[in-house]
Amino acid sequence: ELKVEQNPLFLSMQEGKNYTIYCNYSTTSDRLYWYRQDPGKSLESLFVLLSNGAVKQEGRLMASLDTKARLSTLHITAAVHDLSATYFCAVDVVQSNYQLIWGAGTKLIIKP
Amino acid sequence: EAGVTQSPTHLIKTRGQQATLRCSPISGHTSVYWYQQALGLGLQFLLWYDEGEERNRGNFPPRFSGRQFPNYSSELNVNALELEDSALYLCASSFFRGGGIKPQHFGDGTRLSIL
Repeated sequence: ELKVEQNPLFLSMQEGKNYTIYCNYSTTSDRLYWYRQDPGKSLESLFVLLSNGAVKQEGRLMASLDTKARLSTLHITAAVHDLSATYFCAVDVVQSNYQLIWGAGTKLIIKP
Repeated sequence: EAGVTQSPTHLIKTRGQQATLRCSPISGHTSVYWYQQALGLGLQFLLWYDEGEERNRGNFPPRFSGRQFPNYSSELNVNALELEDSALYLCASSFFRGGGIKPQHFGDGTRLSIL
């Protein structure tokens, strides 16, 4: 079964702290996507990771991909309140005709 | 470049009625995806259309259906509405053919409320 698991599902943290969200997937995939969703809003594409060892950074967010471990991480550095949102990861795999398989999302609350 | 547009923004119906939601993809995108997101939950895949054909559907009853038109816009129809159908319905579009990265771009969604 094709599965994408995110950990943790809920995270409450203080501003200024660092933390990491994990995304594990169950089958080979060379493309992993991270999205952000603000409450009541739609999803915004953050990163597309294409190959093993890929690392992308945007502001206080950094995403990486380890295709051998089937693991991606989204690292938050010195968190600020504006980063409060739900973060989703997704992979596309040939077995699903390249349809995206989604994680359940990580709800991140950053307290001032 | 115009993004994915969905209409209406909000839709209020009563049990047993039928709802039609619409989506216009980004110009050049041939694939349209529909998702259901109940309050506080993740994305549940509903339907995928590409080049006018249904490519895949999620684990939803047949009263959820849709179609894609020659201009690649799409409709989602929900018949015999039930209270549990209340949710945010998101449409996304992407390229499909030709390989390469195909991130999905999302519309703002239609919030369907069943009274």
